[in-house]
Amino acid sequence: DSGVTQTPKHLITATGQRVTLRCSPRSGDLSVYWYQQSLDQGLQFLIQYYNGEERAKGNILERFSAQQFPDLHSELNLSSLELGDSALYFCASSGPGYTEAFFGQGTRLTVV
Amino acid sequence: GQQVMQIPQYQHVQEGEDFTTYCNSSTTLSNIQWYKQRPGGHPVFLIQLVKSGEVKKQKRLTFQFGEAKKNSSLHITATQTTDVGTYFCAGRPNDYKLSFGAGTTVTVRA
Repeated sequence: DSGVTQTPKHLITATGQRVTLRCSPRSGDLSVYWYQQSLDQGLQFLIQYYNGEERAKGNILERFSAQQFPDLHSELNLSSLELGDSALYFCASSGPGYTEAFFGQGTRLTVV
Repeated sequence: GQQVMQIPQYQHVQEGEDFTTYCNSSTTLSNIQWYKQRPGGHPVFLIQLVKSGEVKKQKRLTFQFGEAKKNSSLHITATQTTDVGTYFCAGRPNDYKLSFGAGTTVTVRA
């Protein structure tokens, strides 16, 4: 158990809909990262937050947004969903000093 | 922008053989990390390299960070079926963004 909790584990939704993925980082970790992993693909960096502030942005679509709350949990919002958004979405957290990242189990999103 | 490239994408290995996967960055990295993702699992941290030319070993795995801090390699000796999975390198061009390579997916022939 990495200590990072992601909910839900699975999500099936229709095109055009909006969903919210939730991540609770390890206790004490201030950094949260979001990644998208499509079938047989690598980990595409989406966005990073540090103590509530956005710190780095990757190839995140405008239809996607994220935030980190005062209690350090984070949410990734995906709107106007398309079939191509179907993927595994991972959240990771890391502690002070930007050492290793600990990954959650992921949320598998299926858009039908 | 900064990119981390990883080769090969796939590595089919006979059990007992050695192989190497390589990671290259377009920019200098403050550190590089390696992760392993088993089929159906999530990435798990293996090791971090920080110093130029650093070499670290974990049993049959040898990790190396290049002198220019722009490339890295993972060498596995005497491959076992437990080595199956995808190995990712991840680089930090600064203290924030952690960029992953595309990964090397390893399959092992018994």
